[in-house]
Amino acid sequence: DAKTTQPTSMDCAEGRAANLPCNHSTISGNEYVYWYRQIHSQGPQYIIHGLKNNETNEMASLIITEDRKSSTLILPHATLRDTAVYYCIVRVGSNFGNEKLTFGTGTRLTIIP
Amino acid sequence: KAGVTQTPRYLIKTRGQQVTLSCSPISGHRSVSWYQQTPGQGLQFLFEYFSETQRNKGNFPGRFSGRQFSNSRSEMNVSTLELGDSALYLCASSPESTGLYEQYFGPGTRLTVT
Repeated sequence: DAKTTQPTSMDCAEGRAANLPCNHSTISGNEYVYWYRQIHSQGPQYIIHGLKNNETNEMASLIITEDRKSSTLILPHATLRDTAVYYCIVRVGSNFGNEKLTFGTGTRLTIIP
Repeated sequence: KAGVTQTPRYLIKTRGQQVTLSCSPISGHRSVSWYQQTPGQGLQFLFEYFSETQRNKGNFPGRFSGRQFSNSRSEMNVSTLELGDSALYLCASSPESTGLYEQYFGPGTRLTVT
């Protein structure tokens, strides 16, 4: 799986959009970008994933650059409950096998009231 | 749908003992993975089971083992506990949809070895 680089920490004002960057310059053509978050003392929570097109769901938007070497997770209206560690993961998607996720150190996002 | 459940939530054991942790996946999910999370090493993959077979394994010693039952419920066992085994043990289940897998995590079992 390709390695990812994320900032160690970020702050964002409540109600503003939180933009979390991730660099994955060694990503392969068949590797997907996944985002998870982990709120203190809870298990990680799946947020969103994408291959090359931008994706949006009820939680967030994922913007992937055209060369796929970086991506940005956008939380459109951050709330205090979005304070968490956010992990960007790159891995091959498959129908079976190799279901492990390799978590890096992530970005600790703090939402400021 | 009910989420992934793990029991017990908290456990205190003594060095040298063995422990069994349990995980019930989301209904319909047949893949169950286990992870260990510690402050020093972060989240590390232990193993993954699918249809009662271990399909993938991380780099942990043989003291860590698991199994999966026909109803997809899974157990993880750690024998001869060491102080370094103190950690949050997380279980995750995955749907069997076409193409991609998202993992849904349980709340974890916090194991303390004294």
